[in-house]
Amino acid sequence: GAGVSQSPSNKVTEKGKDVELRCDPISGHTALYWYRQRLGQGLEFLIYFQGNSAPDKSGLPSDRFSAERTGESVSTLTIQRTQQEDSAVYLCASSLSPTSGGGDEQFFGPGTRLTVL
Amino acid sequence: GENVEQHPSTLSVQEGDSAVIKCTYSDSASNYFPWYKQELGKGPQLIIDIRSNVGEKKDQRIAVTLNKTAKHFSLHITETQPEDSAVYFCAASNRTPGGSYIPTFGRGTSLIVHP
Repeated sequence: GAGVSQSPSNKVTEKGKDVELRCDPISGHTALYWYRQRLGQGLEFLIYFQGNSAPDKSGLPSDRFSAERTGESVSTLTIQRTQQEDSAVYLCASSLSPTSGGGDEQFFGPGTRLTVL
Repeated sequence: GENVEQHPSTLSVQEGDSAVIKCTYSDSASNYFPWYKQELGKGPQLIIDIRSNVGEKKDQRIAVTLNKTAKHFSLHITETQPEDSAVYFCAASNRTPGGSYIPTFGRGTSLIVHP
């Protein structure tokens, strides 16, 4: 079946512009996660959704970052007034609901490579 | 919060040799330890995981060991093949009040298997 998809795959923007990154999780996965991966680094947690609510957004680095999720499916990560240090690969992952016995294995999308000039 | 250290950052082996990647963690409450493989241009993919009530787990050519007392865990790949070449990430986590695991990742190990 279809995996996690993300769009766009690459995004080049100018400093100060806003960007929106999209994630389509696996159908039926109620948990959704956003991570940031800087070059040569590990994955940095940004935000976690259970359904449409975000019980943990502790990883968002500043108020320029926000995310929303509608209909327990698609999520968008928005970065306002982008800075050069925002350049990274943004990864989305989804998992089954913990209440249905899942929540352990996360399935990752291919990521969006963001370059801020 | 949790802190995960991973070594080495780069590992180069000959095809057929074994490869070992080691990680340490700081939070004794962590109880779930997944390992992910990331190929170029792709997202990470879970290859094996272990829970704190188990000391070792094997799946064909890969195995993971966990020492809770010392707070370290390792990935072992035997009979390496060129297609094992990738970046490997370890992670440590415990279940959040909402029930999901939010892992803290190591910085990754770039494994290169030479034919």
